[in-house]
Amino acid sequence: NAGVTQTPKFRVLKTGQSMTLLCAQDMNHEYMYWYRQDPGMGLRLIHYSVGEGTTAKGEVPDGYNVSRLKKQNFLLGLESAAPSQTSVYFCASSGWTGSYEQYFGPGTRLTVT
Amino acid sequence: SQQGEEDPQALSIQEGENATMNCSYKTSINNLQWYRQNSGRGLVHLILIRSNEREKHSGRLRVTLDTSKKSSSLLITASRAADTASYFCAYAYSGAGSYQLTFGKGTKLSVIP
Repeated sequence: NAGVTQTPKFRVLKTGQSMTLLCAQDMNHEYMYWYRQDPGMGLRLIHYSVGEGTTAKGEVPDGYNVSRLKKQNFLLGLESAAPSQTSVYFCASSGWTGSYEQYFGPGTRLTVT
Repeated sequence: SQQGEEDPQALSIQEGENATMNCSYKTSINNLQWYRQNSGRGLVHLILIRSNEREKHSGRLRVTLDTSKKSSSLLITASRAADTASYFCAYAYSGAGSYQLTFGKGTKLSVIP
């Protein structure tokens, strides 16, 4: 039982390049989330999904796209990376429980130069 | 932004002392959760308190919730060096899905052996 995994762990992009971050969970959770964490800002929600085939915008969605074609996977795409997207990205998932506690992946550290 | 505040931003204590950190939020909530983040790692869920609860315990953790003041506190008793981490509160606003959390900016705790 791996929980929530993220690939890659680190990435350096040049401005204008594109990339996809992959999140996978093996807990059969309905809900999945992408956050970014910047110094002094805590975690901010980028996009989330309440089930396979559905996605919704969070607090800071601009410049990102997501897809959830399979229940266990949630992809975050950057079509044209900008230096402002330098951050640590966390994926999380939660299930149909009374608490909706979220389980987090280890993070992806992205630098855009 | 609906992001709340935590204080202090940083806290340094000696091993064996108690650590208290506070969280404030802005509107009615369904529940409030506390998470820990070790340096360079993902967040780990610690404890949840529902809006109709005032206090909750889990091991060395004690959480209180005052909905009239829109605030919560996390107390860690008899701290250990291993408690060194950042601590975040997260809350689900009433009216939004309880699965969607808003995170505070965190308190960085250092426990000196």
